[in-house]
Amino acid sequence: DAKTTQPTSMDCAEGRAANLPCNHSTISGNEYVYWYRQIHSQGPQYIIHGLKNNETNEMASLIITEDRKSSTLILPHATLRDTAVYYCIVRVANTGTASKLTFGTGTRLQVTL
Amino acid sequence: DADVTQTPRNRITKTGKRIMLECSQTKGHDRMYWYRQDPGLGLRLIYYSFDVKDINKGEISDGYSVSRQAQAKFSLSLESAIPNQTALYFCATSDPGTSGRYNEQFFGPGTRLTVL
Repeated sequence: DAKTTQPTSMDCAEGRAANLPCNHSTISGNEYVYWYRQIHSQGPQYIIHGLKNNETNEMASLIITEDRKSSTLILPHATLRDTAVYYCIVRVANTGTASKLTFGTGTRLQVTL
Repeated sequence: DADVTQTPRNRITKTGKRIMLECSQTKGHDRMYWYRQDPGLGLRLIYYSFDVKDINKGEISDGYSVSRQAQAKFSLSLESAIPNQTALYFCATSDPGTSGRYNEQFFGPGTRLTVL
């Protein structure tokens, strides 16, 4: 699996967009980018994933650069409840292998008033 | 009701004791996982199971064992607990699914284990 690099921490004002970057310069053509978050001591929660195209769902948007070497998770209107650790994971989606996710240390997002 | 449940939610035990953490799911998923999380660190995979007949070691399986009693149940045992097994333990499930959704895992609320 490709290695990912994320900033250790970020701050965002409530109501503003939170843009969380992730570098994955060694990503392979068949690897997806996944984002999870973990609110204090709770189980991680899946947010979104993408392969090449930008993706949007009810929680967030995912922007992947054309060369796929980096991506940005966007929370369009951050709230205090979005305060969490955000994990960027790169992984193949091969049903013949186990879905063994590797969680690094992630980015701690603090949303403030 | 929660789709993935873990019992107990908190446990304090002593060095050398045997302890079992249990995980149950109602999602109908074949694949189940056990992770541990230490303060300030990410999650590390202990064991995973594709189905009731398939058990696989993760990156940190030493000192742990598992049992897949049924599709819905996956238990983690510490045969002789030691203090450095003090951690937050999470169970997760996934469905083989298709393409990208394959790596969407659903996590339980966690068990906080303290070994004195």
